[in-house]
Amino acid sequence: EVQLLESGGGLVQPGGSLRLSCAASGFPFSTEAMSWVRQAPGKGLEWVSAISGNSGSILYADSVKGRFTISRDNSKNTVYLQMNSLRADDTAVYYCAKGSRLTPAEYFQHWGQGTLVTVSS
Amino acid sequence: DIQMTQSPSAMSASVGDRVTITCRASQGISNYLAWFQQKPGKVPKRLIYAASSLQSGVPSRFSGSGSGTEFTLTISSLQPEDFATYYCLQHDTYPVTFGQGTRLETK
Repeated sequence: EVQLLESGGGLVQPGGSLRLSCAASGFPFSTEAMSWVRQAPGKGLEWVSAISGNSGSILYADSVKGRFTISRDNSKNTVYLQMNSLRADDTAVYYCAKGSRLTPAEYFQHWGQGTLVTVSS
Repeated sequence: DIQMTQSPSAMSASVGDRVTITCRASQGISNYLAWFQQKPGKVPKRLIYAASSLQSGVPSRFSGSGSGTEFTLTISSLQPEDFATYYCLQHDTYPVTFGQGTRLETK
């Protein structure tokens, strides 16, 4: 059974930093691309970042480029999102999701339960 | 970036109604289109992938169609548990982009 478990959310002041983790199990992690998707309170879904299985391909939404860094540790079956220079509009539930966009049958079939990041003074 | 225009943004319907939600892409995306259902406080659930393939375990009253730039999600006979928000997602090109959502409410 595929499981994705996010952690690391919390309350942080504007300009601060936070690192989110997503621990994966139930599938061959090192071969799967992973993404982060967020949802601001009462708003829609926004893709944030993606990383390929071997970390050779990394992409970001313009809204977080230069501030967020995605990475992964295949020995720990975990993907990370380092978030720096946080702003109020980064407040959201952050989800991790698995799959390569070129494999429709698998893409975003599985999501974690989400972790809430609140940026406020 | 590819814009996904979803319509309507909200609608009211009754149990038993046939409901159709549309997503238009600002450029062709082949069939790289998925549909999700989200209930308040819950994780998005994928209903349809590759524009028209039904996710395993999803009731057959849900169906998807379309290719290129215009796509539809149809619920053939609305059930009480279907009142939720629905999103389309294009994953033809990065950045992958979601529609703004359709909130389906009870009439």
